[in-house]
Amino acid sequence: GQSLEQPSEVTAVEGAIVQINCTYQTSGFYGLSWYQQHDGGAPTFLSYNALDGLEETGRFSSFLSRSDSYGYLLLQELQMKDSASYFCAVKTDNAGNMLTFGGGTRLMVKP
Amino acid sequence: DSGVTQTPKHLITATGQRVTLRCSPRSGDLSVYWYQQSLDQGLQFLIHYYNGEERAKGNILERFSAQQFPDLHSELNLSSLELGDSALYFCASSVADSDSSYEQYFGPGTRLTVT
Repeated sequence: GQSLEQPSEVTAVEGAIVQINCTYQTSGFYGLSWYQQHDGGAPTFLSYNALDGLEETGRFSSFLSRSDSYGYLLLQELQMKDSASYFCAVKTDNAGNMLTFGGGTRLMVKP
Repeated sequence: DSGVTQTPKHLITATGQRVTLRCSPRSGDLSVYWYQQSLDQGLQFLIHYYNGEERAKGNILERFSAQQFPDLHSELNLSSLELGDSALYFCASSVADSDSSYEQYFGPGTRLTVT
């Protein structure tokens, strides 16, 4: 089967740095994505890692270690608007573009 | 606004009924994906269409079917509805169907309530 594990909830203060981990066990692996979803909203794409290493996009960075089946999303200089759910997702096939999502991590940013 | 549109926004129907959810992808996108999001199951991939052809199927129930039309819009048909089908249904689109289109753009979703 496919499984992606991430913490269900994380709390941090404004201005801090937070790391959301994701470990996966899937039958196929072609890349790890991160999506952000605010309450009542749609998921929005944040980042994608196909190869090992760190990808940086502004305040957000994402890391992948394929040998450890592990990745993380790093959010720096946290802002109140970063309060949302964050999902990791594995692309599990190459013929199509099927994503298998983790259960999501609810991030609460406090003043 | 992702550019993906979904109708209706909300749908309330009774068990045993059939409904159709509609999705229009972003201009230029050839791939359409359907996802179901419920509290206990999270975000589940249902099906992927590329330029009218089915490309990948997830844990989609036999009571559910989808298609993508020549104008690239897609419909998800849910029949013999059960209480457990109550969920948020998202459509997403991307430019192509493989390596070059890892980013998926999600529509606002259709909230289905089965009573």
